Amino acid sequence: DIVMTQSPDSLAVSLGERATISCKSSQTVLHSSNKKNYLAWYQQKPGQAPKLLIYWASTRESGVPDRFSGSGSGTDFTLTISSLQAEDVAVYYCQQYYPLPFTFGPGTRVDIK
Amino acid sequence: EVQLVESGGGLVQPGESLRLSCAASGFTFRSHWMYWVRQGPGKGLMWVSRINGEGRITNYADSVKGRFTISRDNAKSTLYLQMNSLRVEDTAVYFCARGGENDYFEYWGQGTLVTVSS
Repeated sequence: DIVMTQSPDSLAVSLGERATISCKSSQTVLHSSNKKNYLAWYQQKPGQAPKLLIYWASTRESGVPDRFSGSGSGTDFTLTISSLQAEDVAVYYCQQYYPLPFTFGPGTRVDIK
Repeated sequence: EVQLVESGGGLVQPGESLRLSCAASGFTFRSHWMYWVRQGPGKGLMWVSRINGEGRITNYADSVKGRFTISRDNAKSTLYLQMNSLRVEDTAVYFCARGGENDYFEYWGQGTLVTVSS
């Protein structure tokens, strides 16, 4: 199984400042046939279901604010919140979706400093 | 508007069974892969199972294989998860999710809590 790791476990950022979360996979999630990275990012606020933010490592889901961006390829990925807002307080998870079994990172908690 | 509403959770003893349901609306149900994902108390997310639109292809996490069965009724736009031989470690909130163009989880239900305890 592909093991997903995230760093840091948690971070506190001032309002309006940048937040950066790292996600690493134990094997590449870059599919050679289509050159796509099978990597998604989710946001989960307390008491709520996760919400899809990013798929294919860098494609923003419809309706997601453009302050959220994803980058990276192969085994190393980053989620960036360019200007943290109060409503961004949440736990963020990365997930690989090729191959089975699909696996998630342990999550990174983002708070306001 | 896509809506997924889970039901069927509850408190059961180890070894017992439970069937979860997920009622879908707002999209063409039969056209989409569907998934179950769970989250243990205070823990992270774990993919449990998936099923294709026709219901002919299913996959499971190793930890539930042979005990859980995913199915769907496209006429009723409903997804199911039959859980047998439940263990304490199966205690979690179970979410149903709809797939996007690939196996990422584009829409999620609010979840249903399953507690396995003696």
